[in-house]
Amino acid sequence: GAVVSQHPSRVICKSGTSVKIECRSLDFQATTMFWYRQFPKKSLMLMATSNEGSKATYEQGVEKDKFLINHASLTLSTLTVTSAHPEDSSFYICSAAPGQIEAFFGQGTRLTVV
Amino acid sequence: AQKVTQAQTEISVVEKEDVTLDCVYETRDTTYYLFWYKQPPSGELVFLIRRNSFDEQNEISGRYSWNFQKSTSSFNFTITASQVVDSAVYFCALSEVNTGFQKLVFGTGTRLLVSP
Repeated sequence: GAVVSQHPSRVICKSGTSVKIECRSLDFQATTMFWYRQFPKKSLMLMATSNEGSKATYEQGVEKDKFLINHASLTLSTLTVTSAHPEDSSFYICSAAPGQIEAFFGQGTRLTVV
Repeated sequence: AQKVTQAQTEISVVEKEDVTLDCVYETRDTTYYLFWYKQPPSGELVFLIRRNSFDEQNEISGRYSWNFQKSTSSFNFTITASQVVDSAVYFCALSEVNTGFQKLVFGTGTRLLVSP
């Protein structure tokens, strides 16, 4: 299957700083990527749809100024958590799709804000 | 609106027992996909199966089997002769043609604990 790589797998940052998470499709091009968030022992919730060359589409309740998404190329989308706070601590996972049907998930990033 | 319900929050079994994880979904679309993923403690999502709405045939893969019944909007997952390595959180998910097949709506997950 197609490979999606996410980096870093774990990150600890201080409150008030920003952290960037990368999602790369390694062996295919993806015009669309997706970012999900998972609180501890909770389900995965879609945060936003990342569109190559255009603005991301955010789900209701997700602060676009807080979670900046950039999809500058067909193989890379980045999620930047700006001015992170402890409540932003979560597991963030991306997915990318080579076609119209199947999306492949990255390994996820566990963010801890201290 | 699309919704996936996994009523079982946590299931504990002893090794070699069979266990069934329930999944009930809601959708207005006639064309959709259903998924099961395994999430071990490390966090990554391990793809188990994808089934489209036009294929109600049950599937078996080793110790895993899936029962898809459109009449009850259910897509249940059975592990036969469970093993300790099966311990994980299992998510059922749905995607629809109207919102894009790549975009998944997940259930709340079922934590499976298999003890020796």
